[in-house]
Amino acid sequence: AQSVTQLDSQVPVFEEAPVELRCNYSSSVSVYLFWYVQYPNQGLQLLLKYLSGSTLVKGINGFEAEFNKSQTSFHLRKPSVHISDTAEYFCAVTHGNNNDMRFGAGTRLTVKP
Amino acid sequence: ETGVTQSPTHLIKTRGQQVTLRCSSQSGHNTVSWYQQALGQGPQFIFQYYREEENGRGNFPPRFSGLQFPNYSSELNVNALELDDSALYLCASSLGRSNTEAFFGQGTRLTVV
Repeated sequence: AQSVTQLDSQVPVFEEAPVELRCNYSSSVSVYLFWYVQYPNQGLQLLLKYLSGSTLVKGINGFEAEFNKSQTSFHLRKPSVHISDTAEYFCAVTHGNNNDMRFGAGTRLTVKP
Repeated sequence: ETGVTQSPTHLIKTRGQQVTLRCSSQSGHNTVSWYQQALGQGPQFIFQYYREEENGRGNFPPRFSGLQFPNYSSELNVNALELDDSALYLCASSLGRSNTEAFFGQGTRLTVV
């Protein structure tokens, strides 16, 4: 079965600074990888996903992530964050027609002025 | 904003009671997945319904049950509520059993007292 580890529970950064949120996964088969964002009292919004092809994936709101198969990682990056990026971020993994999407415990990104 | 709507948004129940949560899937989607998100954790897969039949289940006891209707909306029923059932319950709709294009609702916050 697949699993996800988000290496940082909290990441504080200053506005306009770059940020990286780390995600490692484990799976014995090829995987699909996702990053979701959750604002307070809301559901999950898809930021980006890796299904196949180019390992550098661009998403909404200026975020991007790189799939690294050898390191089993899928880290999320943004070159310059805004106050509005303050939220909880979840990395998730699934595969094929697997209906069980596994989520990490989340990383709380706090952007300070 | 996704087309996935959940009701109610908040709910308070007493231990031992039963609860029904509802989810209307996005237009054109025939699959609904339910997740439980405890405070400070990532979502955990409860089960998935595809074309009105259960299509996979996570590690949840039988007192968690569901239905999917011909219009592909869905219900999550929880019997004999326990304090640990307090969580945000999320539904996600997709076309087909794969989770590669799943859209989440805003969630129902259930508090068991």
